[in-house]
Amino acid sequence: EAGVAQSPRYKIIEKRQSVAFWCNPISGHATLYWYQQILGQGPKLLIQFQNNGVVDDSQLPKDRFSAERLKGVDSTLKIQPAKLEDSAVYLCASSHPNYGYTFGSGTRLTVV
Amino acid sequence: KNQVEQSPQSLIILEGKNCTLQCNYTVSPFSNLRWYKQDTGRGPVSLTIMTFSENTKSNGRYTATLDADTKQSSLHITASQLSDSASYICVVSANHNTNAGKSTFGDGTTLTVKP
Repeated sequence: EAGVAQSPRYKIIEKRQSVAFWCNPISGHATLYWYQQILGQGPKLLIQFQNNGVVDDSQLPKDRFSAERLKGVDSTLKIQPAKLEDSAVYLCASSHPNYGYTFGSGTRLTVV
Repeated sequence: KNQVEQSPQSLIILEGKNCTLQCNYTVSPFSNLRWYKQDTGRGPVSLTIMTFSENTKSNGRYTATLDADTKQSSLHITASQLSDSASYICVVSANHNTNAGKSTFGDGTTLTVKP
């Protein structure tokens, strides 16, 4: 089975610029997650979707971060404007009740 | 507050040696505990998943144990290989009223295997 696809793999932007990440989950996985992983730490949940509805976005900094999953399949995560502390790996994962999480390879964002 | 604490933070061992990583949690009510391996620059990959009734599970040279009474888990790696160098993350899920549950991630143990 194909895994979770993410793009781009790397992105370098200046502070105050905007950036968007894309995720294509495993086919049939209704639940999709975006995580932020700062170097040396475990992933922190930003937002969880169930199909195209938001289940949990309590830790999403909504003043600058937004995410959508319009058709219940692909998802995009946007940061506008970026800050230096947003430098991290952004992981997308999808899950099925019987199979647990599958993570993508992530997008490494560097804000300079 | 649900927490997952992993130890040690980092570990260096020689190739061929065994090692054990620890995970203590306060997540309640408990649903399942998973160990992931995360290679540098990659996403985490699942190694094992254990529910309340399971106290040990193996995946090749990886063996996870779970003591639900003391809320502790360990991951034992046997006959380590250079390719075992990675971060090992413990994830504990609460029994939550959603399809996927509420998961708490540890900060991981960084293992380095040297020749």
